Amino acid sequence: GQQLNQSPQSMFIQEGEDVSMNCTSSSIFNTWLWYKQDPGEGPVLLIALYKAGELTSNGRLTAQFGITRKDSFLNISASIPSDVGIYFCAGRTQGGSEKLVFGKGMKLTVNP
Amino acid sequence: KAGVTQTPRYLIKTRGQQVTLSCSPISGHRSVSWYQQTPGQGLQFLFEYFSETQRNKGNFPGRFSGRQFSNSRSEMNVSTLELGDSALYLCASSLQQGEYGYTFGSGTRLTVV
Repeated sequence: GQQLNQSPQSMFIQEGEDVSMNCTSSSIFNTWLWYKQDPGEGPVLLIALYKAGELTSNGRLTAQFGITRKDSFLNISASIPSDVGIYFCAGRTQGGSEKLVFGKGMKLTVNP
Repeated sequence: KAGVTQTPRYLIKTRGQQVTLSCSPISGHRSVSWYQQTPGQGLQFLFEYFSETQRNKGNFPGRFSGRQFSNSRSEMNVSTLELGDSALYLCASSLQQGEYGYTFGSGTRLTVV
């Protein structure tokens, strides 16, 4: 089935540092979504991208929909301890069935 | 407004048993999707319901089934449980079918022993 390659799998950073993560696919996607999951909770939508080349910000978060439609990245600037969690990318393929495919997640640890 | 409510939060079942999980979507949301989350496979799509009809189905065996009621509440059922069915089962709701800004519930943690 379709897969999203999300990297890195984990990161350990100091508070105040910036973080970058990305997702790539062998298939073309027409929707990219970024979620964050805290322990014991369901994922929470951070940013949604619907157009190739689109760059969207949500506070300290910035995400871009790659122009090839096969990748997306998420940046977190000036990290704080509450940024700790697992970040997932998700996408829907162009012309595909109406379901999302998720990456395996990136576990972020922020040291105060 | 209330979020997506999943019950129960935790469940322990024995191999061979069957289980039913419940999901109440956000008021006004008509689409409910179910996902299985495991450390090895990550988040895997199970099915999506809209207006009491299953609209999409993932690659899971027929032991996994679901339904949606007229009030949009949904249940999923797993029969003849296997150890590999141990997972966090997440329900997500949205206003319309195919709208991907889901709101997820906190999930039901199922352990099969």
